[in-house]
Amino acid sequence: KQEVTQIPAALSVPEGENLVLNCSFTDSAIYNLQWFRQDPGKGLTSLLLIQSSQREQTSGRLNASLDKSSGRSTLYIAASQPGDSATYLCAVGIQGAQKLVFGQGTRLTINP
Amino acid sequence: ETGVTQSPTHLIKTRGQQVTLRCSSQSGHNTVSWYQQALGQGPQFIFQYYREEENGRGNFPPRFSGLQFPNYSSELNVNALELDDSALYLCASTGAPGTPFYEQYFGPGTRLTVT
Repeated sequence: KQEVTQIPAALSVPEGENLVLNCSFTDSAIYNLQWFRQDPGKGLTSLLLIQSSQREQTSGRLNASLDKSSGRSTLYIAASQPGDSATYLCAVGIQGAQKLVFGQGTRLTINP
Repeated sequence: ETGVTQSPTHLIKTRGQQVTLRCSSQSGHNTVSWYQQALGQGPQFIFQYYREEENGRGNFPPRFSGLQFPNYSSELNVNALELDDSALYLCASTGAPGTPFYEQYFGPGTRLTVT
């Protein structure tokens, strides 16, 4: 059974810092990995999608890496801003990517 | 391009009642998935519909059922509501399963409270 873990559960940093969020999964047989952002009480906003054959993806200040062999992904946020405060969720696509298995998320707070 | 929409936004029901939640998929998408997100948890996969047929189901009892219509919109029905069904219900749409870039786009969710 695929399990996804995100550490830390919560993170608070001052504005301007670069930071890394971690995601690990137990079964390397994944179709893809997706990082999402969720604001309180809201839906999920897709940030980055990494196919199983890829090593990383970049979008603006965000960079996500994937190491299938070790069952790990990281989300790197450069020059953090207060508007980056949200919960970040990673999810792995399994069963032909018809199903996403989510971690519990990292609640990120950027302090001005 | 229209994003994923869900209705209603909030809903309060009594234990034992039935509820129907609705989702309109993003333009051009023919696959819809439903997820349940309890407070402080990650979303849990309920089921997926592709071309009006169920195409995979998570570990949810049969009182959770769904439909997909010819225009690819979808409904989630929950019978005999229990207090633990209180959650944010999220709908996601995507292109056909197995397409190279199988990115799922989520709607804003429906907050269901069961009292």
